[in-house]
Amino acid sequence: QLQLQESGPGLVKPSETLSLTCTVSGGSISSSSYYWGWIRQPPGKGLEWIGSIYYSGSTYYNPSLKSRVTISVDTSKNQFSLKLSSVTAADTAVYYCARSFRWLLLFDYWGQGTLVTVSS
Amino acid sequence: QLVLTQSPSASASLGASVKLTCTLSSGHSSYAIAWHQQQPEKGPRYLMKLNSDGSHSKGDGIPDRFSGSSSGAERYLTISSLQSEDEADYYCQTWGTGMVVFGGGTKLTVL
Repeated sequence: QLQLQESGPGLVKPSETLSLTCTVSGGSISSSSYYWGWIRQPPGKGLEWIGSIYYSGSTYYNPSLKSRVTISVDTSKNQFSLKLSSVTAADTAVYYCARSFRWLLLFDYWGQGTLVTVSS
Repeated sequence: QLVLTQSPSASASLGASVKLTCTLSSGHSSYAIAWHQQQPEKGPRYLMKLNSDGSHSKGDGIPDRFSGSSSGAERYLTISSLQSEDEADYYCQTWGTGMVVFGGGTKLTVL
């Protein structure tokens, strides 16, 4: 059974960079059939896609966040990572990693999520 | 612009059926979507992929009570024999031209 697990600091200071890692188990991140994505959910609000990456390093980013986002992949560790720079309180959210089909980017497996709070 | 529209709330009685709607924006009626369920205080769970012709493929362990259908730009999720654990937020999601889009979600209350 595929599992995804987010990890990283739960508290980040304003103007700093948020960094999270997603570890994939029960499957290979190098599979040619899938993209791997990050999604976030501010408290009490809906889901917002951040970006997605293929094992080769090909990426898609949400245009509204693109200037601040970097997603990378480490196939040797079966992990992919998110960096979001210059964070503000508006970036406080539960961050999820998820797997999606390669040709449709519809998510079919989700991590449990991790809360990141931006505060001094 | 690719947009998904959902009603903010819905309600139905225990044991009854409910049909939730997700509407694709003009010009995108051929797009497939995914339905996701988010129970209180939990992460989202993939329910199914739903094509424009109404064919659908469900995720692992999703009960037969959950089904999908399509008509034009509308994508439906029908839940039959409602149970208390079906009380949740339901999101539709699609993909197009390098962008993933989520609907605003429908909060389902089981009475």
